Amino acid sequence: GAVVSQHPSWVICKSGTSVKIECRSLDFQATTMFWYRQFPKQSLMLMATSNEGSKATYEQGVEKDKFLINHASLTLSTLTVTSAHPEDSSFYICSATTQGGAGNYGYTFGSGTRLTVV
Amino acid sequence: KNEVEQSPQNLTAQEGEFITINCSYSVGISALHWLQQHPGGGIVSLFMLSSGKKKHGRLIATINIQEKHSSLHITASHPRDSAVYICAVEASGSRLTFGEGTQLTVNP
Repeated sequence: GAVVSQHPSWVICKSGTSVKIECRSLDFQATTMFWYRQFPKQSLMLMATSNEGSKATYEQGVEKDKFLINHASLTLSTLTVTSAHPEDSSFYICSATTQGGAGNYGYTFGSGTRLTVV
Repeated sequence: KNEVEQSPQNLTAQEGEFITINCSYSVGISALHWLQQHPGGGIVSLFMLSSGKKKHGRLIATINIQEKHSSLHITASHPRDSAVYICAVEASGSRLTFGEGTQLTVNP
């Protein structure tokens, strides 16, 4: 089945530094990649949607200059948290879609990245 | 009111019990998804439904489009089924709107 590899699975960084998270679709081409953020005991919150070769579409309230998304190929998307602060500490997870039948999309999720900013 | 509502929020069961998790939504959808999130955070897609019923092993998912309601059933539950189960609906385009999740704990 479809697999999305997300790295790193966890990262601790100092305040003010940048962190890059990668998501790779291993055995399929991801038409669209979604990036989510999840706080403890809460549901997933969509941050941005990216299509290969075009600029990401950010959700309201998500700073595009802080959360840089690059979707340079159909198998790789990256999220860079720039100038990280403790309030950016969270669980970040990606999901990739390929178009299925009848206009519905199959989703495959990465394993997530737990970011702690100290 | 959330567009996607799940019940119950928390569910504790004994091993072997039949479990039902419910999901109601208020928007028109093209598909509904059931997801499983384990304590480590990883998410697995269990089902994608647009009508009727699907079965995979001990898991069964049903959807009633007219009533805007879906259920996830687990037969012969096992402690390894303990996880958060999330209902998500796909409306316009390919965006998902998520429910709050149901924390399931199955005790041996």
